[in-house]
Amino acid sequence: AQRVTQPEKLLSVFKGAPVELKCNYSYSGSPELFWYVQYSRQRLQLLLRHISRESIKGFTADLNKGETSFHLKKPFAQEEDSAMYYCALRGSTLGRLYFGRGTQLTVWP
Amino acid sequence: GAGVSQSPRYKVAKRGQDVALRCDPISGHVSLFWYQQALGQGPEFLTYFQNEAQLDKSGLPSDRFFAERPEGSVSTLKIQRTQKEDSAVYLCASSLGKNAEAFFGQGTRLTVV
Repeated sequence: AQRVTQPEKLLSVFKGAPVELKCNYSYSGSPELFWYVQYSRQRLQLLLRHISRESIKGFTADLNKGETSFHLKKPFAQEEDSAMYYCALRGSTLGRLYFGRGTQLTVWP
Repeated sequence: GAGVSQSPRYKVAKRGQDVALRCDPISGHVSLFWYQQALGQGPEFLTYFQNEAQLDKSGLPSDRFFAERPEGSVSTLKIQRTQKEDSAVYLCASSLGKNAEAFFGQGTRLTVV
């Protein structure tokens, strides 16, 4: 069965500190993995996807198939990074997304 | 419009009342998804349309939930005889195709009292 696990509901760091948001998944196949972000009072938006292998707003995420993980990392957190982050998986059929429960990141000044 | 538009933004319904939630996708987007997000949880899939065809409705929690997209553009999610457990944010997303980037609306927050 498809499942996305985000073990941390809340994560707090100070500005300038490194941050890592954890995501583990289970899927019997080759999924696509995504990170979505929701800033306060804004809509859910795509942050990055594993196939693009790019860095967005300083964030990177590497798909580790052996550990079935897709952790989101940023070396120096900024206050504007404070938001809710969702890890999501898309399988091969019909495009539906499976989301984790989300991690609320707070970056303190 | 520039993005996916959902209306109303907020809806309070008395238990047993029927509600209809509207989604205006981005023009030209073939794929349309509905998700339900309960408090403190991630979005959960409800149903998927490709143009006017409802290809997947496996996530609809009961037969009280019904969705349509008759002309392949605007979609309506209808909930009959609402129950308290239906209280959630209902999100609509559209994309150019099922494997393209999904763009989400602001959501409709439904509260059943």
